[in-house]
Amino acid sequence: AQSVSQHNHHVILSEAASLELGCNYSYGGTVNLFWYVQYPGQHLQLLLKYFSGDPLVKGIKGFEAEFIKSKFSFNLRKPSVQWSDTAEYFCAVKDYGGATNKLIFGTGTLLAVQP
Amino acid sequence: GAVVSQHPSRVICKSGTSVKIECRSLDFQATTMFWYRQFPKQSLMLMATSNEGSKATYEQGVEKDKFLINHASLTLSTLTVTSAHPEDSSFYICSASGLAGADEQFFGPGTRLTVL
Repeated sequence: AQSVSQHNHHVILSEAASLELGCNYSYGGTVNLFWYVQYPGQHLQLLLKYFSGDPLVKGIKGFEAEFIKSKFSFNLRKPSVQWSDTAEYFCAVKDYGGATNKLIFGTGTLLAVQP
Repeated sequence: GAVVSQHPSRVICKSGTSVKIECRSLDFQATTMFWYRQFPKQSLMLMATSNEGSKATYEQGVEKDKFLINHASLTLSTLTVTSAHPEDSSFYICSASGLAGADEQFFGPGTRLTVL
């Protein structure tokens, strides 16, 4: 079965630092990849998604992610973080196996940005 | 963007009682709704997928008689936790996807269930 791993569980950065959060999934074939963000006290929101085409995907709020098929990876990046980026970030993969197209989530990375 | 609401946002109940949680898509028709459970400091775990007008598909290990899911209309799905016990205390989140952009799920704000 498909699985998703996020290697960084808790990241602390200072404002203006660059961010990269790792995400790896377990097997290839057709994949749709997502990054969601959950700000404190709020619901999950979509940051960006990859279905096909250009492997470098740009999302909202200056985030981007690169799909590297050979590495089964979809890392999230932002060149300069802000205090308002403090949140939990979840990588997800759509699993096309079985009767339903379900999302498989990683365990999440809690990002704390210090002013 | 598409909005999904959940009601109630938090509920406290006694052990042995049943609790119903509603999930509504406010500005689109949701052909598919998903129910997740999130434990503290852990990821979202899919419990079941429901399509409007048909029986829900439960994930392995999820008791369908304990977690009753109904998706009676294109804008409403309900999750009923029957005979709740303290170990059912958790954060329950629903999401919905519609006909347009069916590959994207829109998430509700979640319901915090505490069973005493």
